[in-house]
Amino acid sequence: EAEVAQSPRYKITEKSQAVAFWCDPISGHATLYWYRQILGQGPELLVQFQDESVVDDSQLPKDRFSAERLKGVDSTLKIQPAELGDSAMYLCASALQGAGTGELFFGEGSRLTVL
Amino acid sequence: GENVEQHPSTLSVQEGDSAVIKCTYSDSASNYFPWYKQELGKGPQLIIDIRSNVGEKKDQRIAVTLNKTAKHFSLHITETQPEDSAVYFCAATHGSGNTGKQIFGQGTTLQVKP
Repeated sequence: EAEVAQSPRYKITEKSQAVAFWCDPISGHATLYWYRQILGQGPELLVQFQDESVVDDSQLPKDRFSAERLKGVDSTLKIQPAELGDSAMYLCASALQGAGTGELFFGEGSRLTVL
Repeated sequence: GENVEQHPSTLSVQEGDSAVIKCTYSDSASNYFPWYKQELGKGPQLIIDIRSNVGEKKDQRIAVTLNKTAKHFSLHITETQPEDSAVYFCAATHGSGNTGKQIFGQGTTLQVKP
């Protein structure tokens, strides 16, 4: 069964360092989403791609966060510099029809701890 | 924008009992309402969904009801089993198609005691 792949699963870093997360969506899924999930809360959308184009990054803290999906397939989310409040699970999801219409398929997430 | 409220935040039931989780949404244009189950250390996984043209949907022990007028929807799990223990999230759509997005509730931690 096709899955959304994410790496690394766990990342521990010190504040002010740079971190990067990678996501490979299910083949054929044009839409890709990065969510942030703080412990005990629901996922919050950071950025949404349609192929290689950003559809919505209104909730992405652009002073320190960046995201790209250069060839419209895999994607990278970067944080520089990391802050203590960035500690969270970063979830990548993809969808065949788009989140407005159907199921999101999530990866297992990348858990970030900032010391 | 869309806002989704979910209650309760925690729910503990005895094995075999029923569990009900409720959500309300704010955007009257929302038309797709999925429910996800998240097990420890994993990403959320869809368990059931409902569209706005349907009032109720059932899949074995799981059912979802939707009241568009009141803008609320509920997840019902009957004959609960220990493996149902997990965090459950409701979501509602904002926008449609490829530009739409899903807004999540805060989650409900369900514990099923043997």
